[in-house]
Amino acid sequence: EAGVVQSPRYKIIEKKQPVAFWCNPISGHNTLYWYRQNLGQGPELLIRYENEEAVDDSQLPKDRFSAERLKGVDSTLKIQPAELGDSAVYLCASSPPSTGGKTEAFFGQGTRLTVV
Amino acid sequence: AQSVAQPEDQVNVAEGNPLTVKCTYSVSGNPYLFWYVQYPNRGLQFLLKYITGDNLVKGSYGFEAEFNKSQTSFHLKKPSALVSDSALYFCAVRGGSSASKIIFGSGTRLSIRP
Repeated sequence: EAGVVQSPRYKIIEKKQPVAFWCNPISGHNTLYWYRQNLGQGPELLIRYENEEAVDDSQLPKDRFSAERLKGVDSTLKIQPAELGDSAVYLCASSPPSTGGKTEAFFGQGTRLTVV
Repeated sequence: AQSVAQPEDQVNVAEGNPLTVKCTYSVSGNPYLFWYVQYPNRGLQFLLKYITGDNLVKGSYGFEAEFNKSQTSFHLKKPSALVSDSALYFCAVRGGSSASKIIFGSGTRLSIRP
């Protein structure tokens, strides 16, 4: 079974430029998460999808960040314009349908973003 | 509000000795608790979880964790450490609701010396 696939693995951009990250979750997983992990810290949730609906985007900086999951499968996270402080690893995760949130999340390898 | 704390930034253990990585949590209702491991330049890998039942949970690579409701803790343990266990370990918690999100601790770097 293929795991969560993210691309690109690494991205270096100049500040004020746009950037996009792509995630393909595990087949059959209806829940998709985007996390941001700063160096030496734990992942912080940016947005959570149940199918194509964003059910928790309270931590997403909506002035510059946007996300979509149009068909309830793949997802894209975009930053426009990027700032120096956006340098981090962006992790995508997915989990299968469950009752009461008992399932763990499965993570991709992440995209390491460097803004210069 | 949910929260999880990992009080130790780093734990150093000699190979062959037992190890413990500490985690405490705060949630409303029954907690669902998870441990993940992260190797350099890799995503997080799931180790084990506590949902209900026995307080001692066994997981991958010989790791186990003990749920203690009165102390609101979920410490990760292994009887005999290996050098290959050296990595970054994250504790995570979700309140007992499908509507709640998974919150991660700040991580503990485990270093096993030969």
